[in-house]
Amino acid sequence: EAGVAQSPRYKIIEKRQSVAFWCNPISGHATLYWYQQILGQGPKLLIQFQNNGVVDDSQLPKDRFSAERLKGVDSTLKIQPAKLEDSAVYLCASSLGREYNEQFFGPGTRLTVL
Amino acid sequence: AQSVTQLDSQVPVFEEAPVELRCNYSSSVSVYLFWYVQYPNQGLQLLLKYLSGSTLVKGINGFEAEFNKSQTSFHLRKPSVHISDTAEYFCAVSEKGAQKLVFGQGTRLTINP
Repeated sequence: EAGVAQSPRYKIIEKRQSVAFWCNPISGHATLYWYQQILGQGPKLLIQFQNNGVVDDSQLPKDRFSAERLKGVDSTLKIQPAKLEDSAVYLCASSLGREYNEQFFGPGTRLTVL
Repeated sequence: AQSVTQLDSQVPVFEEAPVELRCNYSSSVSVYLFWYVQYPNQGLQLLLKYLSGSTLVKGINGFEAEFNKSQTSFHLRKPSVHISDTAEYFCAVSEKGAQKLVFGQGTRLTINP
């Protein structure tokens, strides 16, 4: 079974530029999550999708971050414009969507904002 | 709202020694508890989870954890560690009825030969 795929693995941009990350979840997984992991901290949930609808985006900085999950499969997370404090690893995870299902994580995208 | 505190940011141990990584949580409702491991430049992998039943939970790679409701703790243990256990370990909590995970800040386990 293929795991959660993410691209790119690394990205370096200047502040005020825009960037997009892509995630392909495990086939059949209804729920998709985007997390932000700042160096030295645990992952923090940014947004959760159930199929192609948003379940929780309470911690997503909506003035600069946006995410979509078209057709309930792949997802894209965008930052526009980026700030220095957005430097982090962005993790995508997916699960079957039931209450205590294990979340499977992708390898992450390491973003450096200069 | 729930929260997780991992009491040690770094834990150095010698190879083949036992180890305990401490985790305390706070929640006003019943919870599920998890331990994840993150190897360098990789995503998180589930080690074990407590959903209900026996308070002693066994996971992969010889790890186990004990749920203590009165002390709101979920400490992770391994009787004998190997060099390959060097990684970052995260404790996480999910309120029953929700799918959202809240993570602690992580504990870096370093194994010395």
